[in-house]
Amino acid sequence: GENVEQHPSTLSVQEGDSAVIKCTYSDSASNYFPWYKQELGKRPQLIIDIRSNVGEKKDQRIAVTLNKTAKHFSLHITETQPEDSAVYFCAASIKGSGNTPLVFGKGTRLSVIA
Amino acid sequence: EPEVTQTPSHQVTQMGQEVILRCVPISNHLYFYWYRQILGQKVEFLVSFYNNEISEKSEIFDDQFSVERPDGSNFTLKIRSTKLEDSAMYFCASSVGVQRYGYTFGSGTRLTVV
Repeated sequence: GENVEQHPSTLSVQEGDSAVIKCTYSDSASNYFPWYKQELGKRPQLIIDIRSNVGEKKDQRIAVTLNKTAKHFSLHITETQPEDSAVYFCAASIKGSGNTPLVFGKGTRLSVIA
Repeated sequence: EPEVTQTPSHQVTQMGQEVILRCVPISNHLYFYWYRQILGQKVEFLVSFYNNEISEKSEIFDDQFSVERPDGSNFTLKIRSTKLEDSAMYFCASSVGVQRYGYTFGSGTRLTVV
């Protein structure tokens, strides 16, 4: 089955700096890669996702890149703000003729220091 | 914005007791999922449900677990004889279907087994 590895487990950045979180996946059939932000005690919230037919997607300060050959994808947050502090999870699944469940990485605790 | 609703938000139960966690998925969604998150760890897949039957389940989802969609709107997870290690946050999620992307998570039920 799919296995998703995520690095780093913790990340501290100064406010205004960029943060990059990286994930790798094992199943080459995976074609959907969402990123979730989870604040303490709350549900995971989808912040951005990318499908395997594109290499990059951007939404304001957040961008995701996908390298299908290397089977890795990354989350980039620019101009970080204290409210970006949370745990971020990457995930992978296969969307298409079936709907495989999301397989999550172990999470990255991002701390943005004011 | 449509939401996935979960009840209760927190449940404390004695070891060995049965618990039922309830979820109301988004009305036009077709796929339903249960995930769990042990404190400080990643989100883990338990089971997916489509067309009134289980479509996939993980190793965690053993004979102590069952799911039902009793009335066409509620989606329940039952744990027959709870163990201490079942203590976790349980998230319900739903998605529209095979060609539509995005999973919506509920706010979770924190289960504490004592």
